[in-house]
Amino acid sequence: KQEVTQIPAALSVPEGENLVLNCSFTDSAIYNLQWFRQDPGKGLTSLLLIQSSQREQTSGRLNASLDKSSGRSTLYIAASQPGDSATYLCAVVGNTPLVFGKGTRLSVIA
Amino acid sequence: DGGITQSPKYLFRKEGQNVTLSCEQNLNHDAMYWYRQDPGQGLRLIYYSQIVNDFQKGDIAEGYSVSREKKESFPLTVTSAQKNPTAFYLCASSIDGREAFFGQGTRLTVV
Repeated sequence: KQEVTQIPAALSVPEGENLVLNCSFTDSAIYNLQWFRQDPGKGLTSLLLIQSSQREQTSGRLNASLDKSSGRSTLYIAASQPGDSATYLCAVVGNTPLVFGKGTRLSVIA
Repeated sequence: DGGITQSPKYLFRKEGQNVTLSCEQNLNHDAMYWYRQDPGQGLRLIYYSQIVNDFQKGDIAEGYSVSREKKESFPLTVTSAQKNPTAFYLCASSIDGREAFFGQGTRLTVV
């Protein structure tokens, strides 16, 4: 059964820092990996989708990488801003629908 | 605008009552999903449907039921058999397991 782990569970950084969020999964037979952002009490907003044949995807200050063989993905956020404060979730799709990690709660301090 | 609409935003259920959460999408996606989110638990799959008139149980289907009579709609009923229904419920859709999009959620509280 696919299991997804996100480390750290919470992270607090000063504004302007670059940071990395980690996601690991146990079954490398995935179709894609998706990173989401969730604000308190809200739904999930899709940030980046990496297909299994890809190594990375970029959108603005965000860069996500995927290493299927090691079962790892990272989300790199450049020049963090207070507006980046949210919970970040990764999810993988394989033979079953999206399986989620528990998320990393990010606080960016002005 | 294309998207996923969940209603209501807040829902209160009395003990022993069935309630239905609505999920509608106009993205023309074949697959739709229901997830439950509890603090510290992450998102857990309740039911999913890959095509009209067909659906499969997820990891925590007990006490829930769904229907998929139209491509656009995938309502979730929380039955009286669900003993701990207080949670945040999220609906999503996708094309064949590709990028998934989520609604804004329904917060269900037992009173």
